[in-house]
Amino acid sequence: QVQLVESGGGLVKPGGSLRLSCAASGFAFSDYYMSWIRQAPGKGPEWVAYISRTGMTIFYANSVKGRFTISRDSAKNSLDLQMHSLRVDDTALYYCARAAYGSGIIFDHWGQGTLVAVSS
Amino acid sequence: QSVLTQPPSASGTPGQRVTISCSGSRSNIGSNSVHWYQQLPGMAPKLLMSDDNERPSGVPDRFSGSKSGTSASLAISGLQSEDEADYYCSAWDDSLSGLVFGGGTKLTVL
Repeated sequence: QVQLVESGGGLVKPGGSLRLSCAASGFAFSDYYMSWIRQAPGKGPEWVAYISRTGMTIFYANSVKGRFTISRDSAKNSLDLQMHSLRVDDTALYYCARAAYGSGIIFDHWGQGTLVAVSS
Repeated sequence: QSVLTQPPSASGTPGQRVTISCSGSRSNIGSNSVHWYQQLPGMAPKLLMSDDNERPSGVPDRFSGSKSGTSASLAISGLQSEDEADYYCSAWDDSLSGLVFGGGTKLTVL
């Protein structure tokens, strides 16, 4: 069955960096668009970024553009999110999500999330 | 302030029909499909409805979706206690070149 397992979250000071990873299994990873979506405590989900099957097409939310970089490694079936210049309002549970086949933005599978806390 | 507007709360009694609205603009709902997610407490969101009114496999037909102009709705008929959850709409926004979510509606089954 489809499994998405995030890792790499933690406590970081404002201005710091963190790299999140998502290990994918149970499906042909290279056939699907993937995204990172975050959810601040008590808030709704906020889409962060998506990457196409080949990695050639990438979109970012305006709130993270220039600070975050999404990437994928089809040989390792993994999705990464490199985060720089972290701010307090980046604090959230970060989900890795698979887009439904043929879609880039309909998320049919989500991981359980990894928590990022930005605080001094 | 979310780009897509949802009522913060909704409620109903078992067996009732409840509707949750999602209001947007020409650049999102007016131009693109709407997708809905259900989030149970402590869980990741789950896809409930895609492309305005398509139910993924396994979603009961008590759930239905519709769209008109720049607004969309999720209807739940025959309300059950296990439907108590947060519901979110989403759509691509052409002006932002990004995906936007609604602020969410907390459904309470009385």
